[in-house]
Amino acid sequence: EAGVVQSPRYKIIEKKQPVAFWCNPISGHNTLYWYRQNLGQGPELLIRYENEEAVDDSQLPKDRFSAERLKGVDSTLKIQPAELGDSAVYLCASSLGSSGGASATDFGPGTRLTVL
Amino acid sequence: QKEVEQNSGPLSVPEGAIASLNCTYSDRGSQSFFWYRQYSGKSPELIMFIYSNGDKEDGRFTAQLNKASQYVSLLIRDSQPSDSATYLCAVNSSGGFKTIFGAGTRLFVKA
Repeated sequence: EAGVVQSPRYKIIEKKQPVAFWCNPISGHNTLYWYRQNLGQGPELLIRYENEEAVDDSQLPKDRFSAERLKGVDSTLKIQPAELGDSAVYLCASSLGSSGGASATDFGPGTRLTVL
Repeated sequence: QKEVEQNSGPLSVPEGAIASLNCTYSDRGSQSFFWYRQYSGKSPELIMFIYSNGDKEDGRFTAQLNKASQYVSLLIRDSQPSDSATYLCAVNSSGGFKTIFGAGTRLFVKA
């Protein structure tokens, strides 16, 4: 079974440029998460989808970040314009369900973003 | 107060010893607790989860939960150099829909 797929694995951009990350979750996983992980910190949830619906985006900086999950499968996270402080690893994760947290969450390999 | 707190370490133990990793959480209504292992440059992987008070054992790993004290721990018996990693404690909010991660504890197992 293929795991969570993310691309690109690495991205270097200059500040004020746009950037987009793509994620393909594990087949059959209805719940998809985008996390941001700064060096020496744990993952911080940016947005959670149940199928195609964003059910928790309270931590997403909506002035510059946007996300979509068309058809409830693949997802894209975009930053426009990027700032120096956005440098981090962006992790996509998926699980069968999120109710009660009973389902294990599988993480993708992440995209390491460097903003110069 | 952070929602999930861990000692950042590093925690250094000799090979074969027991490594004890601790985590406290602030949401008294939390129901689900997870331990993830993260190797440097890699993504987190789930190693244990626990829902009920007491101990849960899986191979060399034992998770311990004390809801009254809002405390979760992970014991690694017969520690191996390959166990050297950052261990992340994660707690689901009382609504069950949001997982909060601690900052992680770095573990070094010396050969």
